[in-house]
Amino acid sequence: QVQLQESGPGLVKPSQTLSLACTVSGDSFSSSGYFWTWIRQHPGKGLEWIGYIYYSGSTYYNPSLKSRVSISVDTSKNQFSLKLSSVTAADTAIYYCARGVYSYFGVDIWGHGTTVTVSS
Amino acid sequence: QSALTQPASVSGSPGQSITISCTGTASDVGTYNLVSWYQQHPGKAPKLINYEGSKRPSGVSHRFSGSKSGNTASLTISGLQAEDEADYYCCSYAGNSGTLVLFGGGTKLTVL
Repeated sequence: QVQLQESGPGLVKPSQTLSLACTVSGDSFSSSGYFWTWIRQHPGKGLEWIGYIYYSGSTYYNPSLKSRVSISVDTSKNQFSLKLSSVTAADTAIYYCARGVYSYFGVDIWGHGTTVTVSS
Repeated sequence: QSALTQPASVSGSPGQSITISCTGTASDVGTYNLVSWYQQHPGKAPKLINYEGSKRPSGVSHRFSGSKSGNTASLTISGLQAEDEADYYCCSYAGNSGTLVLFGGGTKLTVL
């Protein structure tokens, strides 16, 4: 059974870099049919796709965040990570890591989510 | 590219059927049959309930069915049950010239 678990600081200061990790159990990043993605949800709002990394290492980011986002994989730890630089209060949200299915670009497995607050 | 358009709220009584619409454009919903639907209960992560327009993951009730016509996708929930009360989000592939993946704004379903 595939499970994903987010980890990282719950509080980040403005202008700093938000860093989160997602530990994957029950699956491997070498599975070609899947991609590994980050999605966020602002308080009381809808879902926003941040970006993904494919097993080959290729990445794709939401154009609205592209200049500040980086997603990487550490296969030795079975983790993939999110870095979002120069954060502001507008980046306060619940951050979900998830597994996407390449054939239909949907998300079949979600982490529980982690709340990140940007505040001094 | 703008988010997909969903009604903010819908409601129905137990046993009834409701339909949630998800309107995009010819560049996303209209071109690709790659719409997925998610159910989210308060304080929980979203859950995939429908994909590729009309397919259901294993374990998801047959009461949830998806369809598409033109630029609009729809999720129909039949035989409403109290536990169906949740937020519902649609999502569509939008091609690699822009945002790639678009979400709808979400619809709050209230079971009366």
